[in-house]
Amino acid sequence: QVQLVESGGGVVQPGGSLRLSCAASGFTFSSYGMHWVRQAPGKGLEWVAFIRYDGSNKYYADSVKGRFTISRDNSKNTLYLQMNSLRAEDTAVYYCAKGGWSIAAAGYFDDAFDIWGQGTMVTVSS
Amino acid sequence: QPVLTQPPSSSASPGESARLTCTLPSDINVGSYNIYWYQQKPGSPPRYLLYYYSDSDKGQGSGVPSRFSGSKDASANTGILLISGLQSEDEADYYCMIWPSNASGVFGGGTKLTVL
Repeated sequence: QVQLVESGGGVVQPGGSLRLSCAASGFTFSSYGMHWVRQAPGKGLEWVAFIRYDGSNKYYADSVKGRFTISRDNSKNTLYLQMNSLRAEDTAVYYCAKGGWSIAAAGYFDDAFDIWGQGTMVTVSS
Repeated sequence: QPVLTQPPSSSASPGESARLTCTLPSDINVGSYNIYWYQQKPGSPPRYLLYYYSDSDKGQGSGVPSRFSGSKDASANTGILLISGLQSEDEADYYCMIWPSNASGVFGGGTKLTVL
């Protein structure tokens, strides 16, 4: 069945780095855009980043731009999120999510998060 | 970043209908966007329910019952999730979402639905 499994979460000090992974199975990973979405403890959802099916386009939330990098390895069916210069406010459960159709054009983007992983917890604390 | 406003809580009895709203800021026209809805139960990841643009352009998530439906109220600049025939299993948090033109997704704050 379609499955996304995140890993790599943990406790890191402010200013530190962490790399999250998301292993995909049950669908043709190389054909779909992928997202990261996070949720701070007891809070709502926040979209973090998107990568096109071939890795050629990437978009980021303003809150992580310049600090986080999304990437993928289609040969390994794996999505990544490299997180640098971590702050306390980055503490959250990080979910990877499969894009439904990932339509991107000049000034326009639209997608659904149609499959979600179980999430991995990142805690930024000294 | 635009802010999507959702009531923090809502409640209804089993068998009744629940109408959850998602109000867009006045500078963003609800008629121009797909409104996405997600359901999240405690301790679980979110689940994609549906999107709604218009009656002729809408889509249901895989396995999502037809008693979940979307609509819009243009006069209130609001997206709506209607859940008919409420069941106890529908008790959850519900989030709306849009993609503003700067390709940066925005979620509403979520509504906690209680089935009395």
